[in-house]
Amino acid sequence: AQSVTQLGSHVSVSEGALVLLRCNYSSSVPPYLFWYVQYPNQGLQLLLKYTTGATLVKGINGFEAEFKKSETSFHLTKPSAHMSDAAEYFCAVSRFGGGADGLTFGKGTHLIIQP
Amino acid sequence: DGGITQSPKYLFRKEGQNVTLSCEQNLNHDAMYWYRQDPGQGLRLIYYSQIVNDFQKGDIAEGYSVSREKKESFPLTVTSAQKNPTAFYLCASGTGQTYEQYFGPGTRLTVT
Repeated sequence: AQSVTQLGSHVSVSEGALVLLRCNYSSSVPPYLFWYVQYPNQGLQLLLKYTTGATLVKGINGFEAEFKKSETSFHLTKPSAHMSDAAEYFCAVSRFGGGADGLTFGKGTHLIIQP
Repeated sequence: DGGITQSPKYLFRKEGQNVTLSCEQNLNHDAMYWYRQDPGQGLRLIYYSQIVNDFQKGDIAEGYSVSREKKESFPLTVTSAQKNPTAFYLCASGTGQTYEQYFGPGTRLTVT
């Protein structure tokens, strides 16, 4: 079965500093990988996704992630943190490699931005 | 505007009562999903449906039931058999072709 591990339940960075949120996955089939963001008491918004092709994917709000098969990783980065980036971030992998079978999520990383 | 609506936003029930959570989408998506979110646990898949009149159990289906009579609607019933029903419930939809899922705003259920 697929699984996702997000290292660090809380990450704190200063405004303007690099954001790095770590995600490692386990999958028995070629994975489809996603990063979502959640603001308090709201639903999830898709930041970016990797399905096939280019391993460096760019998303909304200046975020990007790189799929590294050899490291089974899909870390999320942003060069310069903004106060509005403070939120909960979830990494997810497709459950069975297909597009419609649902996602398996990591436990989330709470991003804190220090002024 | 296209999107997913969940109602109500907050729901309170007494222990032993069944409760149904609503989820409607006007995105013309074939697939719909229900997830449960608990603090520090991420999201866990309850049920999903890839087509009308068909649905599959997810990872934590015990104590829940669903129906998919219309493409636009995928209601979730939390039954009295669910041991810990208090949680934040999120509905999502997707096309399958693009693989991504779009989420509704969620319903926070409190059972006392």
